[in-house]
Amino acid sequence: GAVVSQHPSWVICKSGTSVKIECRSLDFQATTMFWYRQFPKQSLMLMATSNEGSKATYEQGVEKDKFLINHASLTLSTLTVTSAHPEDSSFYICSASYGTAMNTEAFFGQGTRLTVV
Amino acid sequence: TQLLEQSPQFLSIQEGENLTVYCNSSSVFSSLQWYRQEPGEGPVLLVTVVTGGEVKKLKRLTFQFGDARKDSSLHITAAQPGDTGLYLCAGFSGNTGKLIFGQGTTLQVKP
Repeated sequence: GAVVSQHPSWVICKSGTSVKIECRSLDFQATTMFWYRQFPKQSLMLMATSNEGSKATYEQGVEKDKFLINHASLTLSTLTVTSAHPEDSSFYICSASYGTAMNTEAFFGQGTRLTVV
Repeated sequence: TQLLEQSPQFLSIQEGENLTVYCNSSSVFSSLQWYRQEPGEGPVLLVTVVTGGEVKKLKRLTFQFGDARKDSSLHITAAQPGDTGLYLCAGFSGNTGKLIFGQGTTLQVKP
């Protein structure tokens, strides 16, 4: 299957600082990338959907000024958590998809464990 | 809004037992995906079902897509401790292209 690389795998930052997470599709061009947040033993909650070259579409309740998403190319999307606080600590996962609407598949990065202290 | 209801959410069984996980929706999906996730890692795609009534097998795992493409099931035969993990169903929502997930099923297989 297609490979999606997410970096870093884990990060610890101080409260009030910003953290950038990268998501790269290594062997295919991703028309769409998704960003999820996952709490322990829970499912993935979609935060936003981004298409290359256009603004991300955020889910209801997700602060777009706090979670900045940039999808500058077909192989790279970034999520920046601005002015991070301890409640932002979570597991963040990206996925990338390609293909037609009928047979689109999504492939996931390995996730980033963010801890804000 | 299309939703996926997954059940059960938790399952603890003995090695060798069979189990079925269900993924239901009131909406039609063009396809549904099943993923397995280990702690601290991203989900790994197991299978995609596309055609109503389709059955796919992956070793001891059998996946079925409902005739109306509103539901799917995952059946594991003779479960093994290595099957332990979080199983997730997901589907692309209508014209938005969003990939949404069910609540997940945490499976524990005891030796």
